[in-house]
Amino acid sequence: GQSLEQPSEVTAVEGAIVQINCTYQTSGFYGLSWYQQHDGGAPTFLSYNGLDGLEETGRFSSFLSRSDSYGYLLLQELQMKDSASYFCAVKRSYNTDKLIFGTGTRLQVFP
Amino acid sequence: DAGVIQSPRHEVTEMGQEVTLRCKLISGHNSLFWYRQTMMRGLELLIYFNNNVPIDDSGMPEDRFSAKMPNASFSTLKIQPSEPRDSAVYFCASSDRGRTDTQYFGPGTRLTVL
Repeated sequence: GQSLEQPSEVTAVEGAIVQINCTYQTSGFYGLSWYQQHDGGAPTFLSYNGLDGLEETGRFSSFLSRSDSYGYLLLQELQMKDSASYFCAVKRSYNTDKLIFGTGTRLQVFP
Repeated sequence: DAGVIQSPRHEVTEMGQEVTLRCKLISGHNSLFWYRQTMMRGLELLIYFNNNVPIDDSGMPEDRFSAKMPNASFSTLKIQPSEPRDSAVYFCASSDRGRTDTQYFGPGTRLTVL
């Protein structure tokens, strides 16, 4: 089967840094994406890693290690509006559009 | 550019009734995905199309569910007959395969089956 494991919940305070981990076991791996979903909203794309290493987009960075089947999303200078659920998602091969989503991590940011 | 459009946004129906959910893709996108989200099961892919052709329907729960893509910009997901366990938020998403793998989600349809 396919599995992506994330912590169910993470809490932090404004201004802090938080890391959300994702460990995957899939038959095939092409790339790892991250999506954000606010309560009552739709998932929105945050970042994508196709190669090992760090991708930075403003306050958010995402890291991938293919050899460890592991990635993480790093959120810096946390703001209250970052309170949301965060999903990692695996694309298993070049010739499929299908993403396998993790169970999601609920981030709560406190003042 | 308008994003993915879904209708209705909310649907309340009684068990046994037919439900039709609608989705309009982003112009120029060629892949369409239907997802279901519940607290218990998370975000599940039901079916996806590429260039109007169903590619993977392995997530469709059972024969009560059917999806169509009559043209390049529009899709429907039908549940007949509906059951209380179908209550969930249904999202459709589109992407431009070959250019980027980013999926753009619609606002979702919250379905309640009584």
